[in-house]
Amino acid sequence: EAQVTQNPRYLITVTGKKLTVTCSQNMNHEYMSWYRQDPGLGLRQIYYSMNVEVTDKGDVPEGYKVSRKEKRNFPLILESPSPNQTSLYFCASSRGDFYEQYFGPGTRLTVT
Amino acid sequence: GQQLNQSPQSMFIQEGEDVSMNCTSSSIFNTWLWYKQDPGEGPVLLIALYKAGELTSNGRLTAQFGITRKDSFLNISASIPSDVGIYFCAGLEYGNQFYFGTGTSLTVIP
Repeated sequence: EAQVTQNPRYLITVTGKKLTVTCSQNMNHEYMSWYRQDPGLGLRQIYYSMNVEVTDKGDVPEGYKVSRKEKRNFPLILESPSPNQTSLYFCASSRGDFYEQYFGPGTRLTVT
Repeated sequence: GQQLNQSPQSMFIQEGEDVSMNCTSSSIFNTWLWYKQDPGEGPVLLIALYKAGELTSNGRLTAQFGITRKDSFLNISASIPSDVGIYFCAGLEYGNQFYFGTGTSLTVIP
């Protein structure tokens, strides 16, 4: 089954404790992206990647890092999480020539 | 950053009615997408638009890419209870960055 998977689905952590949210897709998509969703603000793009070893900042990249060492994986790293990064996070992927993004199920992160 | 203006913010309609919502931006986009999100789930793609003026249908859904490239419209005909959810527009600027609208919450009253 074609899908985007994220882990973990729920995470509660404390300020400053480094964490990684994994994202994997099995559709051989070139384009992958991370979003955060906050009430009243919709989805905002954090980082995106056009292909392996190519990443670019989205609208709200501060406090986040990403890497794209393999085509299927695009982890999101929070080196020192803060409470304002409490949010619902989505990973998405698409072919590089058509931007019909497929979203993962989401990761709800709470930073206390 | 860029923000898409999506309206209306919420809608309460009777089952069987038609629904219209739209999205506008201050920038030109080369792709418009429409998504639906159910509670606790990720957004699901409904329709993708790639050319100005393009009109595309997916069942009871019809979307249009505005000729100015700064707006898009989504219509749902003969609404049914399973249409309930939040609908998002998304625009892609040149440079591969996506921007999303703030969503339209749709409630269908049986």
